[in-house]
Amino acid sequence: AQSVTQLDSHVSVSEGTPVLLRCNYSSSYSPSLFWYVQHPNKGLQLLLKYTSAATLVKGINGFEAEFKKSETSFHLTKPSAHMSDAAEYFCVVRPTDSWGKLQFGAGTQVVVTP
Amino acid sequence: DAMVIQNPRYQVTQFGKPVTLSCSQTLNHNVMYWYQQKSSQAPKLLFHYYDKDFNNEADTPDNFQSRRPNTSFCFLDIRSPGLGDTAMYLCATSRAIQGTDTQYFGPGTRLTVL
Repeated sequence: AQSVTQLDSHVSVSEGTPVLLRCNYSSSYSPSLFWYVQHPNKGLQLLLKYTSAATLVKGINGFEAEFKKSETSFHLTKPSAHMSDAAEYFCVVRPTDSWGKLQFGAGTQVVVTP
Repeated sequence: DAMVIQNPRYQVTQFGKPVTLSCSQTLNHNVMYWYQQKSSQAPKLLFHYYDKDFNNEADTPDNFQSRRPNTSFCFLDIRSPGLGDTAMYLCATSRAIQGTDTQYFGPGTRLTVL
């Protein structure tokens, strides 16, 4: 069984300050982990993914995430928020070695203030 | 650019009037998925095709059906839409069904049932 918990439903940051979105997972299998972003009325765009290679994963638009097995976490960070980062972010887990549907977290809504 | 395209982007239909949503892809991926996303919720998988093999999720209502006439196209048919079917419908594709395979999402069709 697998599940994902996004610890914050809403995050508000000022433009130019760091962003931290927290994600904890539970998986019986070696997991693949993804972060997707969804802007209003748009589809989901992949930011980055972890598939058992390097534990620090760099993604698009300056985002990165670190896989910490001991903490079962996959937190997403960005050093400096931009207004265009305002969106919904989903942490997603899936078993690496077999078929398994994407297990989504509940999402974190990010607001960026000037 | 290779992509996932959904048409229409917005659809309004009346209660009980059948509706068809369309998805096409230029990625030449083997797997195509349909998700339903209600307001402020994570996407929920309805079904997927691996080539011509159809796989229905256990809790997908019978009202929802799908067709995949060829590799590039996949359709979602809602036979008798109810008010509760108002949602964003997302199409996604992946090369294969292993956990490491990324799912690429289209922009979605926002369906409103009146």
